[in-house]
Amino acid sequence: DAMVIQNPRYQVTQFGKPVTLSCSQTLNHNVMYWYQQKSSQAPKLLFHYYDKDFNNEADTPDNFQSRRPNTSFCFLDIRSPGLGDAAMYLCATSRGPSRSGGNEQFFGPGTRLTVL
Amino acid sequence: AQTVTQSQPEMSVQEAETVTLSCTYDTSESNYYLFWYKQPPSRQMILVIRQEAYKQQNATENRFSVNFQKAAKSFSLKISDSQLGDTAMYFCAFMKQNAGGTSYGKLTFGQGTILTVHP
Repeated sequence: DAMVIQNPRYQVTQFGKPVTLSCSQTLNHNVMYWYQQKSSQAPKLLFHYYDKDFNNEADTPDNFQSRRPNTSFCFLDIRSPGLGDAAMYLCATSRGPSRSGGNEQFFGPGTRLTVL
Repeated sequence: AQTVTQSQPEMSVQEAETVTLSCTYDTSESNYYLFWYKQPPSRQMILVIRQEAYKQQNATENRFSVNFQKAAKSFSLKISDSQLGDTAMYFCAFMKQNAGGTSYGKLTFGQGTILTVHP
């Protein structure tokens, strides 16, 4: 089945120690998104890639970076995690611009990040 | 900027009954899309139903239907014949239409409503 895969499902890191979260997709979608979801809160978009074009949200801290080496993979790098970065990180994909009416985003299961 | 508000943090319903989840939004856009996503415990988020703002007819998907009131900026989800598998967090989400009438991009989510279906 085509899907969005996130690894690892659970990640523990130390305060200030860089960490990388991984997302891969078999849907061949143009667009890949990273959302941050803190406990009992709405997911919040950090950034997205449309093919190789990176689109950062204005309020995403510089501490968060992303890489997309090819269509299938996208990485979220947190350069110096703080306690406030503990959250669920959701990767999602969608097709590019379409007139077909509200492109569905397909989500991965998420990576829960704990910062000690 | 858009905001989405779900005023019911938690709801519960008996199996086989009907429940309605509320969502209101605020936007200055005239063309946009609205979604309900379901996030079961420890499982990935999946799309339940979507609505194009330019369509007056309310969307339906099997047991799921919406009541879309554009003037009131309201977008509620009705679940009929509730099943135990409907237990999940439900998110209402907004996506604006891009230039040229296309759509992809940022979803703005509400805070979510935890729905519990009891046997």
